[in-house]
Amino acid sequence: NAGVMQNPRHLVRRRGQEARLRCSPMKGHSHVYWYRQLPEEGLKFMVYLQKENIIDESGMPKERFSAEFPKEGPSILRIQQVVRGDSAAYFCASSPGDTVTYFGPGTRLLVL
Amino acid sequence: TQLLEQSPQFLSIQEGENLTVYCNSSSVFSSLQWYRQEPGEGPVLLVTVVTGGEVKKLKRLTFQFGDARKDSSLHITAAQPGDTGLYLCAGALSNTDKLIFGTGTRLQVFP
Repeated sequence: NAGVMQNPRHLVRRRGQEARLRCSPMKGHSHVYWYRQLPEEGLKFMVYLQKENIIDESGMPKERFSAEFPKEGPSILRIQQVVRGDSAAYFCASSPGDTVTYFGPGTRLLVL
Repeated sequence: TQLLEQSPQFLSIQEGENLTVYCNSSSVFSSLQWYRQEPGEGPVLLVTVVTGGEVKKLKRLTFQFGDARKDSSLHITAAQPGDTGLYLCAGALSNTDKLIFGTGTRLQVFP
């Protein structure tokens, strides 16, 4: 059973560009979470999704950030008009719904 | 608001020593998970505890969930260099599924 897959592992963007981060949950997991880890800081919750629904987006910045988990395909975290402060490691996690949560390897975003 | 405090933040010890990492909160958690994270990788789940007072063992690692489900500890016996890494506790509040992460404990075990 493959683990949580994320791609790309590393992403470099210039200020003002868009970043799209993809996450495929573990097989059988319908709950997807996105977390952000800023340099020298802990992991912070961003958004929790189930298929086609956003359940909790209380950790998402109000502007430029969006997330989706379509019926078919991976979950996408989209950051529009990136700024240097968006540089961080973004982790996707999945769960079968019992709070046991498995994390992917992360996407490291660098904004130049 | 930081709901989970971990201590110590940094720990450097010699191979063979024992150590304990603490995770404390004023909030009650429905479950608590411990992760280990290597540089450049995602957190790897070590254990989940759900019952107050629960003790789980994973080889040389012993995890305990406080009776009131507000705190937890991780004890490593006879630490080895391979135990080096960032240890994170994370709790799920009763009314939500998201994880609240602790501040982390960075462990370095020297041979």
